[in-house]
Amino acid sequence: GQQVMQIPQYQHVQEGEDFTTYCNSSTTLSNIQWYKQRPGGHPVFLIQLVKSGEVKKQKRLTFQFGEAKKNSSLHITATQTTDVGTYFCAAYSGGSNYKLTFGKGTLLTVNP
Amino acid sequence: KAGVTQTPRYLIKTRGQQVTLSCSPISGHRSVSWYQQTPGQGLQFLFEYFSETQRNKGNFPGRFSGRQFSNSRSEMNVSTLELGDSALYLCASSSQGVGTEAFFGQGTRLTVV
Repeated sequence: GQQVMQIPQYQHVQEGEDFTTYCNSSTTLSNIQWYKQRPGGHPVFLIQLVKSGEVKKQKRLTFQFGEAKKNSSLHITATQTTDVGTYFCAAYSGGSNYKLTFGKGTLLTVNP
Repeated sequence: KAGVTQTPRYLIKTRGQQVTLSCSPISGHRSVSWYQQTPGQGLQFLFEYFSETQRNKGNFPGRFSGRQFSNSRSEMNVSTLELGDSALYLCASSSQGVGTEAFFGQGTRLTVV
């Protein structure tokens, strides 16, 4: 079945440093979504990428979808303490495969 | 508008018992997906319902079952509970189905003792 690898598992940064998490799928995707889960909270949708090579920005967050639609990344510029949480990618293969496959997430901690 | 509501928020059950969890999606959303979240395995897909039809099921034993009602509310049942079933159970609703923006509930924290 489809596998989604996400690295790194943990990342600790100083406030103001950049952060990147990577997601790789074993199969070509229809789209990929990113979610953030704060400690003790539930996943919250950040963005969806659909097109090959797509790049989307949300303030300090930049999301990319690979040309082959098998990998994606989330980059945060100048991290803040409010960025703390676990970032998940969620892969969707499309067709009649009605399921999202989540990566195991990257836990980001930020030292003020 | 109201978000996704899951009840109860916390449950403690004994091995061998069964449990039913409830999820009320956002009004108008016809898709409800269920996930099990554990520290070791992360978020694992259980099943997805769309307009009362189960469209996909994850790799979980038959002890895990679910259903969706005509008002889109969904229930998940786990029979013959095992210690390993202790987890946070999350449901997510979406208007267009899996593969579109999903809104998660707060989850039900199940502890099996």
